[in-house]
Amino acid sequence: QKEVEQNSGPLSVPEGAIASLNCTYSDRGSQSFFWYRQYSGKSPELIMFIYSNGDKEDGRFTAQLNKASQYVSLLIRDSQPSDSATYLCAVNDPRAAGNKLTFGGGTRVLVKP
Amino acid sequence: DVKVTQSSRYLVKRTGEKVFLECVQDMDHENMFWYRQDPGLGLRLIYFSYDVKMKEKGDIPEGYSVSREKKERFSLILESASTNQTSMYLCASSLRQLRSYEQYFGPGTRLTVT
Repeated sequence: QKEVEQNSGPLSVPEGAIASLNCTYSDRGSQSFFWYRQYSGKSPELIMFIYSNGDKEDGRFTAQLNKASQYVSLLIRDSQPSDSATYLCAVNDPRAAGNKLTFGGGTRVLVKP
Repeated sequence: DVKVTQSSRYLVKRTGEKVFLECVQDMDHENMFWYRQDPGLGLRLIYFSYDVKMKEKGDIPEGYSVSREKKERFSLILESASTNQTSMYLCASSLRQLRSYEQYFGPGTRLTVT
């Protein structure tokens, strides 16, 4: 059973709209949550992290965390064609040494002009 | 800015060859990781290291080994390359601090084994 689940998409979003991406995780002991963006053929790039319940905003990105529901989401406001990428959710593994992360399979986002 | 570099962007090797992939980070990070990424399978952890000369198996260590002789350098070794090891290989590093789990990735090495 996969420990971090994401809808693979593609999530098709008109330019200027809000893209909403979801991620669920299975380990209640996880405390740190990350969103990475990965363009085709490139490596993942960290765009957001969140540790506490609630919302965290950074520019056009908002991360939302609900530990009770084991759910983390990413909102992209005013979506641009340059936001077209795969977004990976990552969650810390509280039982592993080395600050290990578990990654979801990613959601592919397509922003259409 | 954290910088993680990998020795090659593209590599083509023959079946049975010994392959070395090198990763270097310049931010004094204790933790280093090797992943492979394949379509439909996502990022899978091969090995990681939380200190010099320390290594831990990840989810798919079979067919691979690693070496960490210096803090900044983490090498992935394919002892006898096989076609099913054709993949994108990604190295990452992170600090070993409480709640400091964010990993920074290198540009990746696309390995083709023929």
